[in-house]
Amino acid sequence: DQQVKQNSPSLSVQEGRISILNCDYTNSMFDYFLWYKKYPAEGPTFLISISSIKDKNEDGRFTVFLNKSAKHLSLHIVPSQPGDSAVYFCAATSFNAGNMLTFGGGTRLMVKP
Amino acid sequence: DTAVSQTPKYLVTQMGNDKSIKCEQNLGHDTMYWYKQDSKKFLKIMFSYNNKELIINETVPNRFSPKSPDKAHLNLHINSLELGDSAVYFCASSQEGVNYGYTFGSGTRLTVV
Repeated sequence: DQQVKQNSPSLSVQEGRISILNCDYTNSMFDYFLWYKKYPAEGPTFLISISSIKDKNEDGRFTVFLNKSAKHLSLHIVPSQPGDSAVYFCAATSFNAGNMLTFGGGTRLMVKP
Repeated sequence: DTAVSQTPKYLVTQMGNDKSIKCEQNLGHDTMYWYKQDSKKFLKIMFSYNNKELIINETVPNRFSPKSPDKAHLNLHINSLELGDSAVYFCASSQEGVNYGYTFGSGTRLTVV
């Protein structure tokens, strides 16, 4: 049973436009959410996170939005750049989860020049 | 200077063999993990280990065992390899209480033939 779901396996966006990646979760105990970016043949790298006490966190071109009532979060990248082309994983955890993350299945973002 | 390093990067072996994957981190983190990325690209936790406790995902077969000679190393030993063990295995580390962000290794692609 996937507790974290990324329903779009892929997304294609034109350079300069906004990329919106979505993530849904089912476990109401999750209280911390993260996004990771992964290039081929490399490990995932931490991108941005958000605590459940917030509904938005911004870091440069990357913004994560959290809607707790809908159990939904999204990652906005604006403006999108070709170097952003990668697989993006959503992850979630809870205070009593021993720092272990539950990952979604990933969304492959392709930014076209 | 690699923060989390895994060896080997590629491993091809026959069914029934026993193999180990090594992981070392030089970040001074106190918790290390093993994740498995299966053919469907899901990242699933296998083990979490710090100097206090080992947490095992109950779905992991007991043919898999983590071994930690010291705080900077968490090796993965696999007995009696099966075809279904073929996957990419990622080691990661984190500092407890610091925004839950992991640092991942670049992965080990295991192919069982």
